[in-house]
Amino acid sequence: KQEVTQIPAALSVPEGENLVLNCSFTDSAIYNLQWFRQDPGKGLTSLLLIQSSQREQTSGRLNASLDKSSGRSTLYIAASQPGDSATYLCAVNGGNNRKLIWGLGTSLAVNP
Amino acid sequence: EAQVTQNPRYLITVTGKKLTVTCSQNMNHEYMSWYRQDPGLGLRQIYYSMNVEVTDKGDVPEGYKVSRKEKRNFPLILESPSPNQTSLYFCASTGGAFSSSYNEQFFGPGTRLTVL
Repeated sequence: KQEVTQIPAALSVPEGENLVLNCSFTDSAIYNLQWFRQDPGKGLTSLLLIQSSQREQTSGRLNASLDKSSGRSTLYIAASQPGDSATYLCAVNGGNNRKLIWGLGTSLAVNP
Repeated sequence: EAQVTQNPRYLITVTGKKLTVTCSQNMNHEYMSWYRQDPGLGLRQIYYSMNVEVTDKGDVPEGYKVSRKEKRNFPLILESPSPNQTSLYFCASTGGAFSSSYNEQFFGPGTRLTVL
């Protein structure tokens, strides 16, 4: 049974720092992995999608990597800003029904 | 604009009063699903649909029904809501093999349901 873990659960950093969020999964047989952002009480914004055949994806200050063999993905945020404060969720797509298995997220606070 | 819409966004109701949360997507996606999000439990799949008239249970289907009569719509029905169904609900759609957004999931804005 696929399980997704995100570490750390919470992170507080000063503005301008580069930071790494971690996601690990137990079953390497995945179709893809998606990183989402969720603001308090709000919906889910897709940040990056990495297909199983890819090693990384980049969008602006965000870079996500995928290592299927070790069951890990990282989300790298460069030059963090207060507007990056949110919960970041990692979700693995491993089945024909397109079901996503979710981590519990990392709550990020970027302090001015 | 490509999007998934849900209505209502907020709903407060009482135990046993049937309700429907609508979900619609304009991307011609085959796959649609419903998730609920609860503190400490994360997001869990309720039901999914591979195409019109094809639906199946996810991980937490008890107390819910769905239908897929049209490709764009996938309503979530609570026949007799109970307080343990108080949650934040998300609808999602996913492009199929011939879609430019193959396997990328797009989410609606969420529906916050409170059952008293």
